[in-house]
Amino acid sequence: GAVVSQHPSRVICKSGTSVKIECRSLDFQATTMFWYRQFPKQSLMLMATSNEGSKATYEQGVEKDKFLINHASLTLSTLTVTSAHPEDSSFYICSAVLSNQPQHFGDGTRLSIL
Amino acid sequence: GENVEQHPSTLSVQEGDSAVIKCTYSDSASNYFPWYKQELGKRPQLIIDIRSNVGEKKDQRIAVTLNKTAKHFSLHITETQPEDSAVYFCAASTAGNNRLAFGKGNQVVVIP
Repeated sequence: GAVVSQHPSRVICKSGTSVKIECRSLDFQATTMFWYRQFPKQSLMLMATSNEGSKATYEQGVEKDKFLINHASLTLSTLTVTSAHPEDSSFYICSAVLSNQPQHFGDGTRLSIL
Repeated sequence: GENVEQHPSTLSVQEGDSAVIKCTYSDSASNYFPWYKQELGKRPQLIIDIRSNVGEKKDQRIAVTLNKTAKHFSLHITETQPEDSAVYFCAASTAGNNRLAFGKGNQVVVIP
């Protein structure tokens, strides 16, 4: 089945640090990748939609300069949380999809900003 | 945009009983409805999905039913087992747009 790898799984860093999270589709070329944020006991909140070679589409209320998304190839998208602060602490999850196939999720990255 | 509502928020069932979770959606153009299971601290995993040209789909102990007229779809889990305990999310999307709108999730607890 479709496998999506996300790295790192856990990040603990100081306030003001920038953190990069990678999302890779291992056995298929993803036409689109999505980035979500999930706070404890809440649903997945879509942050942005990423297509290879084009600018990401951000959801309302998500700062594009704060959450930089790069989609360099059909198998790799990165999310960089710039100058992270404690309120950015959350569970970040990516998903990848090929055409009209179901979304498959990565294992998520638990980000803790001290 | 699409708004997906999910009820109840928490459901406790005795092992062996059935569990039903219902979701409603607002956009009549939505035509794809997946269900995801998420265990604590882990990724959401697709357990079943249905498209609008089908009214029901079953996979072993799991089934999904869709009522397009009423704009609701339900997840049915029969013969529940402790390993079915998790948070279940429903979602909806429209044709040509893989963008999913998720419900708030339902915590299912199977009591041994």
